[in-house]
Amino acid sequence: RKEVEQDPGPFNVPEGATVAFNCTYSNSASQSFFWYRQDCRKEPKLLMSVYSSGNEDGRFTAQLNRASQYISLLIRDSKLSDSATYLCVVKSIGYSTLTFGKGTMLLVSP
Amino acid sequence: DGGITQSPKYLFRKEGQNVTLSCEQNLNHDAMYWYRQDPGQGLRLIYYSQIVNDFQKGDIAEGYSVSREKKESFPLTVTSAQKNPTAFYLCASSIEGQGRGETQYFGPGTRLLVL
Repeated sequence: RKEVEQDPGPFNVPEGATVAFNCTYSNSASQSFFWYRQDCRKEPKLLMSVYSSGNEDGRFTAQLNRASQYISLLIRDSKLSDSATYLCVVKSIGYSTLTFGKGTMLLVSP
Repeated sequence: DGGITQSPKYLFRKEGQNVTLSCEQNLNHDAMYWYRQDPGQGLRLIYYSQIVNDFQKGDIAEGYSVSREKKESFPLTVTSAQKNPTAFYLCASSIEGQGRGETQYFGPGTRLLVL
């Protein structure tokens, strides 16, 4: 069973649309959760951490559901510059390393 | 400017040759990591180091070697034993490896093409 699974992409949306990504994780001992953004042929960059109470950063909202072991990322009012691959990342208790999902590609069109 | 640098950006090698990828950070981070990314795949951990002169194998360490003689440097050698070395290699660092909610920062990556 894959440790971190994400929606297969790509997601094609028009500018201004709202789009949601989901991610599930298999290790119930997971303690920390992140969304990274990766532009084409570039390195991943931290978009936001995900907290148990949910958190928002401008147009981006992240939610965590520990009981169901899933994480979501909501992007409102999509911009062309949001086009990228979004990586779901999980860290488990006692581990020094992160586990990355394969990513979901988002394409925002005019 | 603080950050992580990787060199070179692109690297071409003949099959059977060893090649070393550079990773340097001036963030004063204790932990450093090497990942490999293949098209359509997630990042896979090769090696990581939480402190100078110590490192651990990740999920796909076979055919690779590392050293951590200095805090700011964590070079990766791709040996001839690595069967499919062509990939995008990413180096990352974090303040320390065991902390809760630790964030990793990535270098720009090196694209290795073995002909």
